Amino acid sequence: DIQMTQSLSPLSASVGDSITINCRASQYITTYVSWYQHRPGKAPKLLIYGASILQSGVPSRFSGGGSGTDFTLIISDLQPEDVATYYCQQSYSTPFTFGGGTRVEI
Amino acid sequence: QVQLYESGPGLVKPSETLSLICNVSGGSFSNYYWNWIRQPAGKGLEWLGRIYTGGSTNYNPSFQSRLTMSVDTSNNLFSLRLRSVTPEDTAVYYCATATQSAFTTGWYFDYWGQGALVTVSS
Repeated sequence: DIQMTQSLSPLSASVGDSITINCRASQYITTYVSWYQHRPGKAPKLLIYGASILQSGVPSRFSGGGSGTDFTLIISDLQPEDVATYYCQQSYSTPFTFGGGTRVEI
Repeated sequence: QVQLYESGPGLVKPSETLSLICNVSGGSFSNYYWNWIRQPAGKGLEWLGRIYTGGSTNYNPSFQSRLTMSVDTSNNLFSLRLRSVTPEDTAVYYCATATQSAFTTGWYFDYWGQGALVTVSS
């Protein structure tokens, strides 16, 4: 299985800050990475797919990048509603796997 | 817009079978891969497997020996059966669609249900 390793959690920041969440794959996965926001008691929400493509309806302060094994999710102008756990996920091969999650606190 | 809703018993006894249904509304039921993903308490997300509308499946090898997924196109639903459960199977179970919009994007989970908590306990 491909292992996905994310930035240490929790990540504490202030409103208006820009933060970066890192995700590293245990092997090459081209751009087959998606990012999800998960608030407690809610369904996970797709933010980014194809490593850098913003899902429709997601605010433009979210952006993604990377290819190969190293990927980033950047949240600019952090807002109170961004408090959540963020997961990366690979689909290069099955079983699809998620990172352990990075909890963002304000 | 596709909407998904999980239903099933919230409590299952150890060694028994966990069964969940995902009802799908809106959009087209065809041409999707239908997935089950779970989150044990305090842990991350875990992909269990997927089934195509035509019935073909991909299971996570970690669950393959006790997992069955099926699809009912007449009623726009798909289901999960996990046999011989233990307390470690206690989790919130989500159903989700998987889409691959282009060769360069891979598969991503774009629609999710709200989740169903299943507790395995005697």
